[in-house]
Amino acid sequence: GAGVSQSPSNKVTEKGKDVELRCDPISGHTALYWYRQSLGQGLEFLIYFQGNSAPDKSGLPSDRFSAERTGGSVSTLTIQRTQQEDSAVYLCASSLGRLGSNEKLFFGSGTQLSVL
Amino acid sequence: GQNIDQPTEMTATEGAIVQINCTYQTSGFNGLFWYQQHAGEAPTFLSYNVLDGLEEKGRFSSFLSRSKGYSYLLLKELQMKDSASYLCAVKDSNYQLIWGAGTKLIIKP
Repeated sequence: GAGVSQSPSNKVTEKGKDVELRCDPISGHTALYWYRQSLGQGLEFLIYFQGNSAPDKSGLPSDRFSAERTGGSVSTLTIQRTQQEDSAVYLCASSLGRLGSNEKLFFGSGTQLSVL
Repeated sequence: GQNIDQPTEMTATEGAIVQINCTYQTSGFNGLFWYQQHAGEAPTFLSYNVLDGLEEKGRFSSFLSRSKGYSYLLLKELQMKDSASYLCAVKDSNYQLIWGAGTKLIIKP
């Protein structure tokens, strides 16, 4: 696609429910990142996929969070048993995946998650 | 630990010049990025520095001093549309991006 696409743009859920957030990166981009951004805060790294390598999950805040990337393209971030502190904007970004270069990240518009 | 420091908020006047500073302490250095983020929108790339000195791109310039762990973003001829948050990010020795909390820039007429 022309840009990074995320869905849904807004999600309101009840505490304890599971949610799935979707990211469709730019075609041909091998690197995909998930970030979380709370109001007025910087970007908190969650997980990173690079090609067929094992993902870097070092940023996932708890075992309630998981992510998959199928076929090296679309990624889904799943949050189980949501808590109110999970409320934030979840941003996905992709890049060509060339380590060490000055490559930039292309971000999607994010999913605003609100846990009531 | 790794740390990126930026001012939380700055105010400037339309038509003026503003400098947004960023200092960093990271495990290694493989480049510094500036991104712009308008409220409710995705961050977009502005600039990249890996060598010391000034990179100029239109009204925006970015400076880097690796020995001082310091960068700044210089915005000239400010326009109302420049009101946004400006995020500084550093690639560490593992090529991981470490992000600052961002500087909210308010432009007044």
